[in-house]
Amino acid sequence: QQQVKQSPQSLIVQKGGISIINCAYENTAFDYFPWYQQFPGKGPALLIAIRPDVSEKKEGRFTISFNKSAKQFSLHIMDSQPGDSATYFCAARGFGNEKLTFGTGTRLTIIP
Amino acid sequence: DAMVIQNPRYQVTQFGKPVTLSCSQTLNHNVMYWYQQKSSQAPKLLFHYYDKDFNNEADTPDNFQSRRPNTSFCFLDIRSPGLGDAAMYLCATSRNTYEQYFGPGTRLTVT
Repeated sequence: QQQVKQSPQSLIVQKGGISIINCAYENTAFDYFPWYQQFPGKGPALLIAIRPDVSEKKEGRFTISFNKSAKQFSLHIMDSQPGDSATYFCAARGFGNEKLTFGTGTRLTIIP
Repeated sequence: DAMVIQNPRYQVTQFGKPVTLSCSQTLNHNVMYWYQQKSSQAPKLLFHYYDKDFNNEADTPDNFQSRRPNTSFCFLDIRSPGLGDAAMYLCATSRNTYEQYFGPGTRLTVT
């Protein structure tokens, strides 16, 4: 019940296209859903996060869509660029809990 | 800039030789975490400090210990590193239950 399932494991998108990564969870106590971006040899960097009281959050080219009833959330990267090539992790955290549960990660490659 | 700093960035140690990794932060966050990350895997939480309270994950090997002498610093001690402990070790911080910010990591090699 603590798992966060992430798909796909890897994704190749053409430059300028839309990259979509999906996550699903079971624990209804989760109330905070961040996405992290990690480049090789670096630590994960917080990209964007959402709480379940909204269905969508947009920051620049990055958008989180959240479906509370389906217990799913996704990251959309618009106008994908080669510099977006990285591993992306979704995560979730329960109310009052300082620990994150991570998805398994998606390796995104943007090709010219 | 406020940040999470990890030293060293790369550490090579011999099998069974104790090693200490360090983390410092200028964010004045009260929670500090240590994660282990192996290639192509998600970060795995080893333990964390909520203020001075130490919280160990149930599956963290006894070989791993931590110290937090003050708010700004936290150390990861690996008493007898094995080949399976080769990984990236990530320190992260947060203020209470808010966003976690990660450091750049220390790549540990065990020979």
